[in-house]
Amino acid sequence: DGGITQSPKYLFRKEGQNVTLSCEQNLNHDAMYWYRQDPGQGLRLIYYSQIVNDFQKGDIAEGYSVSREKKESFPLTVTSAQKNPTAFYLCASSMGRNNNEQFFGPGTRLTVL
Amino acid sequence: GQNIDQPTEMTATEGAIVQINCTYQTSGFNGLFWYQQHAGEAPTFLSYNVLDGLEEKGRFSSFLSRSKGYSYLLLKELQMKDSASYLCAVRDFESWGKLQFGAGTQVVVTP
Repeated sequence: DGGITQSPKYLFRKEGQNVTLSCEQNLNHDAMYWYRQDPGQGLRLIYYSQIVNDFQKGDIAEGYSVSREKKESFPLTVTSAQKNPTAFYLCASSMGRNNNEQFFGPGTRLTVL
Repeated sequence: GQNIDQPTEMTATEGAIVQINCTYQTSGFNGLFWYQQHAGEAPTFLSYNVLDGLEEKGRFSSFLSRSKGYSYLLLKELQMKDSASYLCAVRDFESWGKLQFGAGTQVVVTP
């Protein structure tokens, strides 16, 4: 089955620790995205990547980092510099910039204690 | 950037019709999307409009007026499983292909 996987579903970390969220897709999509969702708010773009070995900052990149070494994988690291890291993180992918649909993974709920 | 507004919450009865409005402001419009999101789950794609008019897909329809910066999502014959958040998202030419999402409209379907 083709799709996007994110793991784990729930993640707990202590304040001050970096944590990496995984995102893998087997849809052969070129573009991948990371969003953050807070209660009562829409999705906000953190980082996106159009192609392997290239990525761009989104609207709220501060305190986050990404890599795109393989087409299938786009991991997101939440660093200790992120002031309010507790949120629901969603990864998405699409064929390219003008493709009509972004496909979303199931999300990871990160709680920083 | 874009400014996207949609109501926070709407309540309707099973079997009824609900219309969710979305207004936006953007300098280079290149498409409007509607997604459905159940609590704690990923958004799923419902519809896409880039030209003016109505797109119908089963019980769901989406309308776009580019001159008014306005769209609506129409849900007919409401079912309990339609209780979810509905997200309006806009793409413009200047931002490569990124989507800007509204805050979402929580639809509550009552028996």
